[in-house]
Amino acid sequence: GQQLNQSPQSMFIQEGEDVSMNCTSSSIFNTWLWYKQDPGEGPVLLIALYKAGELTSNGRLTAQFGITRKDSFLNISASIPSDVGIYFCAGLNSGAGSYQLTFGKGTKLSVIP
Amino acid sequence: ETGVTQSPTHLIKTRGQQVTLRCSSQSGHNTVSWYQQALGQGPQFIFQYYREEENGRGNFPPRFSGLQFPNYSSELNVNALELDDSALYLCASSSASGFDGYTFGSGTRLTVV
Repeated sequence: GQQLNQSPQSMFIQEGEDVSMNCTSSSIFNTWLWYKQDPGEGPVLLIALYKAGELTSNGRLTAQFGITRKDSFLNISASIPSDVGIYFCAGLNSGAGSYQLTFGKGTKLSVIP
Repeated sequence: ETGVTQSPTHLIKTRGQQVTLRCSSQSGHNTVSWYQQALGQGPQFIFQYYREEENGRGNFPPRFSGLQFPNYSSELNVNALELDDSALYLCASSSASGFDGYTFGSGTRLTVV
């Protein structure tokens, strides 16, 4: 099945550093979302973006919906150990009440204390 | 407010067998979706159920089927299991009044041997 192109695949950073990851697609999406998944758990929504060009923050997290509607990025500022996990971007296709998410392959983040 | 609960948490089946996975949606949510997450990949949309009917399907063969019950809980059935069906199966619920990002369960880890 289709998956979005997410990069980087993995990152090792020092505690306190900023992180940036992005996601691109060959298709247009009307909604972009960013999720975090911890081991043994399901994905948890971090940020949802509903309009092209939109820049949204949630605490130390900032995400933008690309103007072409084919890309998005997520920034994490001043990383802390609990930021460790796998981050997924997802694009939403919706129609007739059906909500279908297309996910990227994820960015695995490791934070070195 | 209870979240999405899935059972069982782990399961081992033999190739060719059939399996049923169960999901209870979050309180107030009437739409349930199922995703397959292979190791190292992002979740892939299987299908969605609303009002006890399938109203969206991803690129999965007919041996993947589902049910939704009047209390909005759901089952995922997979017939004639193949080795490649080994994955984490995630259930997600949402409100039909508007997409709010889904609430995912912790998943069922299925191993086919």
